[in-house]
Formats: sequence, structure tokens, C-alpha cells
Amino acid sequence: AQRVTQPEKLLSVFKGAPVELKCNYSYSGSPELFWYVQYSRQRLQLLLRHISRESIKGFTADLNKGETSFHLKKPFAQEEDSAMYYCALRGLGNEKLTFGTGTRLTIIP
Amino acid sequence: GAGVSQSPRYKVAKRGQDVALRCDPISGHVSLFWYQQALGQGPEFLTYFQNEAQLDKSGLPSDRFFAERPEGSVSTLKIQRTQQEDSAVYLCASSLPGASGNEQFFGPGTRLTVL
Repeated sequence: AQRVTQPEKLLSVFKGAPVELKCNYSYSGSPELFWYVQYSRQRLQLLLRHISRESIKGFTADLNKGETSFHLKKPFAQEEDSAMYYCALRGLGNEKLTFGTGTRLTIIP
Repeated sequence: GAGVSQSPRYKVAKRGQDVALRCDPISGHVSLFWYQQALGQGPEFLTYFQNEAQLDKSGLPSDRFFAERPEGSVSTLKIQRTQQEDSAVYLCASSLPGASGNEQFFGPGTRLTVL
């Protein structure tokens, strides 16, 4: 079975401070990991995926297979980062995504 | 071009009524997914189509839930004899087929409230 855990439902961070949203997963194999974001009154959209190793809007995430984690990080939070963030997993040979319960990030001005 | 569209955006049903939710995927997207998102939860997989073939329906919670995509484009999710626990946002997503890393593009969702 595959499972994604996001331990923090809510996270508040001051503008300019570093941000880390935690994500741990359970999967017996090599998964693909994603971060999706949902801004207020917008649809769910892909933020980044581990295979592309990109930095999007200043966010990065590294897949740590030893710790089965895929934490999302940004060194300096901006007000426009306030949103709901979901970590998601796709198993090898599978098409469906398994999501965590999400973390609501609020950036305090 | 337009993204994934869903209709209606909001639906209120009395318990026991049947409902039909529609999804228009991005043109050319072969894969189509339905997810259910209950309040305070992440989206949960319901079912997946590749063209008109329903390849995975393991997430459908009961036989009251039925999905179809007869011509490989528009899809309909039907819920028969709705129950209060069916209240949720139903999300549709589409993607190009196969190869790893293909992004799923989500629609705005249909918020179903069962009274």
C-alpha cells in the first residue's frame, strides 16, 4: 500500500523566514513524488516533481529515500506563498496519485 | 487553450437522489482521473480512464458510484441514491498518457452537498 503523511495541518511563518513543509511517504519501491499547490479560489496545480530537480517559485524538494521524505523548502517566505500544499506519490507502473492531507501555509506580513 | 472544465460547479442533492457530474478534459489528453476530496482531506483516487477504457476503478467507494467515458473524451461520474457521506468536492484531472512524470491537470471541481 502507498501512503503519504503530512504531519502539519497548519503552518504559519513570518515573511522572509525560511519555510519547510514536511512530507513522509510509505511505498515498497521507487515512487515519483510531487508537490501540488492550491492558492485561494484557484484549482490544484503542480508545483514541482522530484524527477525534474527544479526550483519553482524559490521552492525546492529533495527525495530522501533513506528517510522516505520529500520535504518542501524555501529559504525566504513571501506573502504570495500563502496557500494549501499537498504532497503526492505515484507508484511505479501506476497512474493514480496518492495525496497527503495537506498543509495550509500562512505567511505573516 | 482551455484547461479541464467541470460542471456543475455546485450541486445540492437530497439524500436518495441520483446525480451526474461532468468533466471535459484538455483536448488530446488520453488519461482522465476522478478524485474525491472530503472536507479537510487530500484528494482520494476514485477511477482512471485511458481513452474510453476504464483501467482502474479500485477507488470507487461503492456500487452506487459509476463512471463512464464512452467516446474517450468527456466523462461523467454518476452517484446513485446519494448519501450524506458522499458530500465532497469531486475533482477531475487529465494528462497525456504513459511515461513517467506526466503532469495531471486538475479541473475546478464540483462541490456536492447531500442534505
